[in-house]
Amino acid sequence: DTEVTQTPKHLVMGMTNKKSLKCEQHMGHRAMYWYKQKAKKPPELMFVYSYEKLSINESVPSRFSPECPNSSLLNLHLHALQPEDSALYLCASSQEATGDQPQHFGDGTRLSIL
Amino acid sequence: AQSVAQPEDQVNVAEGNPLTVKCTYSVSGNPYLFWYVQYPNRGLQFLLKYITGDNLVKGSYGFEAEFNKSQTSFHLKKPSALVSDSALYFCAVRRGSTLGRLYFGRGTQLTVWP
Repeated sequence: DTEVTQTPKHLVMGMTNKKSLKCEQHMGHRAMYWYKQKAKKPPELMFVYSYEKLSINESVPSRFSPECPNSSLLNLHLHALQPEDSALYLCASSQEATGDQPQHFGDGTRLSIL
Repeated sequence: AQSVAQPEDQVNVAEGNPLTVKCTYSVSGNPYLFWYVQYPNRGLQFLLKYITGDNLVKGSYGFEAEFNKSQTSFHLKKPSALVSDSALYFCAVRRGSTLGRLYFGRGTQLTVWP
């Protein structure tokens, strides 16, 4: 069982819809991450939160909007997505954003844009 | 600049035989090196890491990795492969002081034949 929980597991949405992805961890980690992964490819970093503040935005389009309401929760708000945004969205956490501790990944949300 | 190379897209090995999945890296300063495994429809699972110290690192599920500074390599090994080891393997590197960012290799699909 993963210690990072992502919901929903699957999401199908139209290009005009608004939806949110949710990620939760209870390991006391202070860094949380969003990644996008296409099939058989490595994850691509989207956002990094450190102590609930956005530290890295990898030039992600504004149709993706992250939010970190508290140290255990991370959301990704989606609006007006494009078909090329269909992918597996992975959340991860680590003790700190720097340091030698590994990132722990959830099982992802598989997103399909119609 | 930081980068990781996994020269083999696919590695095939018979059950019971030793396996090696190759990784070379390029990073300024001291590297933090990681191996992750991804099973179908799952997130990435942390296997092992090298930070400093012994060049042979032992990890989960009987895997180990050998760090070679002169060859800038961090190959993943297992003495006796299992069919259940079949999965996608990612090598990743980050510079110790770098905030959050992991650099992944392109991944190697390991298939273990019974």
